[in-house]
Amino acid sequence: AQSVTQLDSHVSVSEGTPVLLRCNYSSSYSPSLFWYVQHPNKGLQLLLKYTSAATLVKGINGFEAEFKKSETSFHLTKPSAHMSDAAEYFCVLDMRFGAGTRLTVKP
Amino acid sequence: GAGVSQTPSNKVTEKGKYVELRCDPISGHTALYWYRQSLGQGPEFLIYFQGTGAADDSGLPNDRFFAVRPEGSVSTLKIQRTERGDSAVYLCASSLVGFNEQFFGPGTRLTVL
Repeated sequence: AQSVTQLDSHVSVSEGTPVLLRCNYSSSYSPSLFWYVQHPNKGLQLLLKYTSAATLVKGINGFEAEFKKSETSFHLTKPSAHMSDAAEYFCVLDMRFGAGTRLTVKP
Repeated sequence: GAGVSQTPSNKVTEKGKYVELRCDPISGHTALYWYRQSLGQGPEFLIYFQGTGAADDSGLPNDRFFAVRPEGSVSTLKIQRTERGDSAVYLCASSLVGFNEQFFGPGTRLTVL
């Protein structure tokens, strides 16, 4: 069965420090994996997608994610958090959304 | 070009009533998806259309929920005998082809009193 698990419901970082949002998946075939962001009272926006062309995927706003088949993970990272990154982040396997991780950025 | 649009933006109904929610996808997008999102939760997959046919309807919670896309463009999500637990934001998305980047509409907020 296909499933996606976001390991943290809430992550809090200070501005300028690295961001790590964790996502594990389970799939019986080569997955289509995505990260979406949802800012308060805004629509869902694609950050990046895994296409199997490369295991390290670069997205918008400085985010990137690494596909690790051996660990069945697709963690989202950013070297330096900005206040505007505060939002809800969703890892998506095919059409299945994870429960979301709320990112808080402290000044 | 226009994005995905959904109407109405808000719908208030009474328990037991029938409602229809409409989605206009991006022109040329063959795939269309319906989700519902409750407060504090991630979007819950309901149904995925490829063209006119429902390629995956495994997320529909029960037979009160039904969706159509008769001409492969506009889709309507139909909910019969609404229950208070159906209250949520219903999201529609479309993509050029299936399993690709989805473009989301603003959602319809359904409240069942």
